[in-house]
Amino acid sequence: GAGVSQSPSNKVTEKGKDVELRCDPISGHTALYWYRQSLGQGLEFLIYFQGNSAPDKSGLPSDRFSAERTGGSVSTLTIQRTQQEDSAVYLCASSLSGFYEKLFFGSGTQLSVL
Amino acid sequence: QQQVKQSPQSLIVQKGGISIINCAYENTAFDYFPWYQQFPGKGPALLIAIRPDVSEKKEGRFTISFNKSAKQFSLHIMDSQPGDSATYFCAASRRGNQFYFGTGTSLTVIP
Repeated sequence: GAGVSQSPSNKVTEKGKDVELRCDPISGHTALYWYRQSLGQGLEFLIYFQGNSAPDKSGLPSDRFSAERTGGSVSTLTIQRTQQEDSAVYLCASSLSGFYEKLFFGSGTQLSVL
Repeated sequence: QQQVKQSPQSLIVQKGGISIINCAYENTAFDYFPWYQQFPGKGPALLIAIRPDVSEKKEGRFTISFNKSAKQFSLHIMDSQPGDSATYFCAASRRGNQFYFGTGTSLTVIP
């Protein structure tokens, strides 16, 4: 596919469970971003990967959230011990170089924590 | 802390009218200001972007106006169409990498 792919598209989990969200960026894109979209909160920055540099984790809301990017391509966002307030749409985006480039977003993962 | 403040939260415009969405920022280090359009069930897509060395950028019916001294920028949609009904996000970035988004504006264009 030519676009950013996210899986699963929907995830329902119970409070306290761990979840993993996957992002496949566009091939060749060196920059990868995770955002969280909640009603009335806009797009909340979570984490940013740029090439082989250390990721910018300044947006992660708590130590229950972590992300990794393997081989400069696929990324996984992990939320441990999920809480109801974690319910949101998690969006992944990639860009070619990470500098003044268009962000290409996936369609997101809708996470519902019961 | 919201790095970019966006208003209004929602907007209803008649077909053919002008839609105006405003954003303000505080960090003078920001040097790239894009607008994204999002349809339900889809991720946001870049609409238009501006750098602070110009005061206005136009692409078709979409125009960004930029006021560096006031630290404000706005999106104008001329001749608004029902197909423009979507959520619009402004954003600001330093060096065009980490992006801070506004809270979004839900635009409805009435036929």
